[in-house]
Amino acid sequence: EDQVTQSPEALRLQEGESSSLNCSYTVSGLRGLFWYRQDPGKGPEFLFTLYSAGEEKEKERLKATLTKKESFLHITAPKPEDSATYLCAVFGSGNTGKLIFGQGTTLQVKP
Amino acid sequence: DAGVIQSPRHEVTEMGQEVTLRCKPISGHNSLFWYRQTMMRGLELLIYFNNNVPIDDSGMPEDRFSAKMPNASFSTLKIQPSEPRDSAVYFCASSSSGRGIEQFFGPGTRLTVL
Repeated sequence: EDQVTQSPEALRLQEGESSSLNCSYTVSGLRGLFWYRQDPGKGPEFLFTLYSAGEEKEKERLKATLTKKESFLHITAPKPEDSATYLCAVFGSGNTGKLIFGQGTTLQVKP
Repeated sequence: DAGVIQSPRHEVTEMGQEVTLRCKPISGHNSLFWYRQTMMRGLELLIYFNNNVPIDDSGMPEDRFSAKMPNASFSTLKIQPSEPRDSAVYFCASSSSGRGIEQFFGPGTRLTVL
């Protein structure tokens, strides 16, 4: 059974304090790993797709990396506006069309 | 381009009443997904359609829930009768198999069943 586990559940950082969020997964035939950002009262907003181990993608202060067992979302010099819940999801060949989501990491960045 | 559109944004109803949630996917997308999000269970896929055909409804909690997609630009999720445990935020998402497998989410409908 495909499974996604995110850690930590919650993370508090000072503005400018870099850190990483972890997404561990088990999936049969990874076709894609996704990162989403969700602000309170809104739907998840697509950030990145990673398709194979070794792949990296960047967007502003965010950088996502992928290995065969986990993905990291690195946040460099975060700002208060980066505060949100970050969701990881996987798409496997055994779950046609279905994304399996983790529980998310809620990030709070204090000024 | 307009994103996924959902209505209503908020719904408050009494136990036993019928509730209908509506979704308009992104134009040109051929896959549509209904999710439910709660604090306890996170994001759960209820059902998804590909080219207007239901592909997997294994996440639909019980027979009180039903979903339809009469055409490529409209879908409904119906709960009849509603119960307090159905209170949650319901999201609709769409994707285009031709462009990739990323799913784009709507703003959600917050449902409260009293």
